[in-house]
Amino acid sequence: QSALTQPASVSGSPGQSITISCTGTSRDVGGYEFVSWYQQLPGTAPKVIIYHVSKRPSGVSDRFSGSKSGNTASLNISGLQGEDEADYYCSSFTSRATYVFGSGTKVSVL
Amino acid sequence: DVQLAESGGNLVQPGGSLTLSCAASGFNVSDNYMSWVRQAPEKGLEWVSIIYSGGNTYYAEAVKDRFLVTRDNSKNTLNLQMNSLSAEDTAVYYCVRSLGGVLDYWGLGTLVTVSS
Repeated sequence: QSALTQPASVSGSPGQSITISCTGTSRDVGGYEFVSWYQQLPGTAPKVIIYHVSKRPSGVSDRFSGSKSGNTASLNISGLQGEDEADYYCSSFTSRATYVFGSGTKVSVL
Repeated sequence: DVQLAESGGNLVQPGGSLTLSCAASGFNVSDNYMSWVRQAPEKGLEWVSIIYSGGNTYYAEAVKDRFLVTRDNSKNTLNLQMNSLSAEDTAVYYCVRSLGGVLDYWGLGTLVTVSS
């Protein structure tokens, strides 16, 4: 199972919006609504910020939103803030009853 | 509160074996799907294995036939037995609850270093 494809890095200025893409196949991203996004701050465990493509867990800022079209899922961060600097990973359930992660995207706030 | 606490990480020689444990609280491991996810130094996340509530287990190709995931319902723990370890297995290993298609609760991780 190959990793889902994400851009290595995305950057933006405070207040701007950025989008991170996550491309898979019909056997994972395109085939299920079980796409999640995780934020990992340096030295900490990942934290889920979007699940089931577009749902936000309680306590997660509404500046984070998710969507999916075909085999590509997207995470949008609006009103970019310094605290959003982190690594972001997508994940999908797969047709083999396993999970696969994206390659990860480092978000920088200029 | 849901909590997961991994233990057992250590320095092990290439070809060696190691067993990791994950103590769960706030929910029953037996009623949930439980995964192991690892992260090599300065690398991304890699899903490793899962045990479903019915007992079925699945593994990433990189660890298949070398790793074994089990659970102890009486102790409410998840275990990962790792054999034939190589440098490529060096990573922080996370225990993760996998409920409804989302990896929702993560432990803090335990470090496994494979080196001579």
